[in-house]
Amino acid sequence: GESVGLHLPTLSVQEGDNSIINCAYSNSASDYFIWYKQESGKGPQFIIDIRSNMDKRQGQRVTVLLNKTVKHLSLQIAATQPGDSAVYFCAENHSTGFQKLVFGTGTRLLVSP
Amino acid sequence: EPEVTQTPSHQVTQMGQEVILRCVPISNHLYFYWYRQILGQKVEFLVSFYNNEISEKSEIFDDQFSVERPDGSNFTLKIRSTKLEDSAMYFCASTGQSTGELFFGEGSRLTVL
Repeated sequence: GESVGLHLPTLSVQEGDNSIINCAYSNSASDYFIWYKQESGKGPQFIIDIRSNMDKRQGQRVTVLLNKTVKHLSLQIAATQPGDSAVYFCAENHSTGFQKLVFGTGTRLLVSP
Repeated sequence: EPEVTQTPSHQVTQMGQEVILRCVPISNHLYFYWYRQILGQKVEFLVSFYNNEISEKSEIFDDQFSVERPDGSNFTLKIRSTKLEDSAMYFCASTGQSTGELFFGEGSRLTVL
């Protein structure tokens, strides 16, 4: 069946390191992917998105890579800071038009000073 | 910065009782959503709402659930007869267009006893 999943449940890094969070998806028809950050007790916060006609998109300190051949998505965070500590979800849009997102299970990023 | 606001932040109710969760989406947004997150699990889509009607709903969104936009600012989720398994964090979200960044509120935690 369709699924969006994450390879690692927890990632621990040192402040200043680069972080890479991975996500696999199974629906080859998906055409829109989003990374969200969720801090404890808060709602998901949009980080960056990418459409299937692209393989890379950069934001401020973040880069999303999309490999449609192997149905893999990654989020790279440069110079990770303690404030980046959170759970990161990838999400996939199955529908055409409305944001019926399918979320992955999440990866917890722990950044040590 | 505009934000989605939700009330109450936490509600405790007895099984079988009706619950209404309230949301004020960002003022110029047109597309409204409810998602839920059972503790420790994925964020799950419940329903999308546009032009005063439901545009899509998930299997979770059964006859016990309803949504309403009673005025120009509020968007509500009603659960008619709560069950233990309805205990979750409920997130409201909105966006100004059908695709693009989805803004989430901080959630309403529902505890059904």
